[in-house]
Order: sequence, then structure tokens, then C-alpha cells
Amino acid sequence: AQSVAQPEDQVNVAEGNPLTVKCTYSVSGNPYLFWYVQYPNRGLQFLLKYITGDNLVKGSYGFEAEFNKSQTSFHLKKPSALVSDSALYFCAVRDMGRNQGGKLIFGQGTELSVKP
Amino acid sequence: SQTIHQWPATLVQPVGSPLSLECTVEGTSNPNLYWYRQAAGRGLQLLFYSVGIGQISSEVPQNLSASRPQDRQFILSSKKLLLSDSGFYLCAWRLYRSNYGYTFGSGTRLTVV
Repeated sequence: AQSVAQPEDQVNVAEGNPLTVKCTYSVSGNPYLFWYVQYPNRGLQFLLKYITGDNLVKGSYGFEAEFNKSQTSFHLKKPSALVSDSALYFCAVRDMGRNQGGKLIFGQGTELSVKP
Repeated sequence: SQTIHQWPATLVQPVGSPLSLECTVEGTSNPNLYWYRQAAGRGLQLLFYSVGIGQISSEVPQNLSASRPQDRQFILSSKKLLLSDSGFYLCAWRLYRSNYGYTFGSGTRLTVV
């Protein structure tokens, strides 16, 4: 079965410092990986995806993620955190099984708190 | 451009009452459609997905049902709400057979009292 794990419930970072939100996955075959962000009482917003190609993926709002096949990880990173980055972040993997409608399997989410 | 509409934004319903949440997508054809529930502000649980009109796949047996009467319309329903149905309901769509991720609606906050 395919799954995603976000080992940290919460990440605290000082503004201006680099941030990392961790994600590991378990899939059969090549993974399609995604990061989303959710602000309070809002829908999820797409940040970036990895399908194939360069292991370093750049996305919205200065975020990037590094795909590491040997470690089955897809960590989200940003060189310099902003207070406005504070939100709930979700990692997801597409279920590549047949007749699964391309559904996404989400991690439990990581609450990012950036303090001034 | 494609947009997704979800309504209402908030809903307070008594236990035992019916439910109907609607989601529509504009600017695309034959989208894959999904209903998720988010409880306690964290994990997302896939409830239903649909790859075409009248085609509904249920992920979790529960008090809810879904229908897709038109290509770009996805409805989540219940005949009798339970307290445990409270949560944040999110609709999403994806272009059929594309490598893109989902686009989510703005969500409906349902409180069953």
C-alpha cells in the first residue's frame, strides 16, 4: 500500500532562518509527489510537485523540495522563512494503482510556525 | 481559466437532518472529482471520488453518499446527520489523466449540533 509520513506535527522557525518540513513516502514504482499548504479555514493550495527529472523542484512562494529516491524522502525547504509562511503543510503521493482515479494520499500535516 | 466553487462556506445542522453540499468546476471538461473531510484541523480523509458522470467510488463506509449528476457537478449528501459528521469538507478536481495535482475548493465548515 502507498503511504506518506510527516514525522513532525509542528516545526518552529525564527523568521529569516531556513526551514525544512519533512516527508517520507512508500510506493511501488516511481512516485508522483506533491506539497500543499493550508491557511486556517481555507482550502489547500498547491506548492509544487515532483513527477520526474531534476531532484530539486522549485515551487510557489520561494519553496522548493528535494526528491531523494534512496531515502524515499521529499522534504520541503525554504532558504529564509517569513512569518506569513506559518500554516499547515501537507505532503501527498498519488495512488498509482489501477482504477484508483488518480487519488492523492496525504500525510497528517505539519504545522509550521514562524516567529518574528 | 478553471475555477472550482464550493458552497456553503459554513453550515450548522441539527443531528438527524439531511445534508447537501455542492461543488462545481468551471473551465474544463471531464474532470476527476474528489470529496475529502478534514477533522480536527489536520488529516485529510478521502471520502469519494468520481471519474465520470454517475461514477462514484466510496473510500470509507459511512453515513454519507455522493452523486455526480453532471460532468462538472459533485454533490455530497446525507439523509440523517450524526455528530461525528462535523468537520471541514473539501472538494477537489484534477484534469483527467494529467500529471497535475488537485485544485481544491475553499471548503465547507459543517457543525452538527
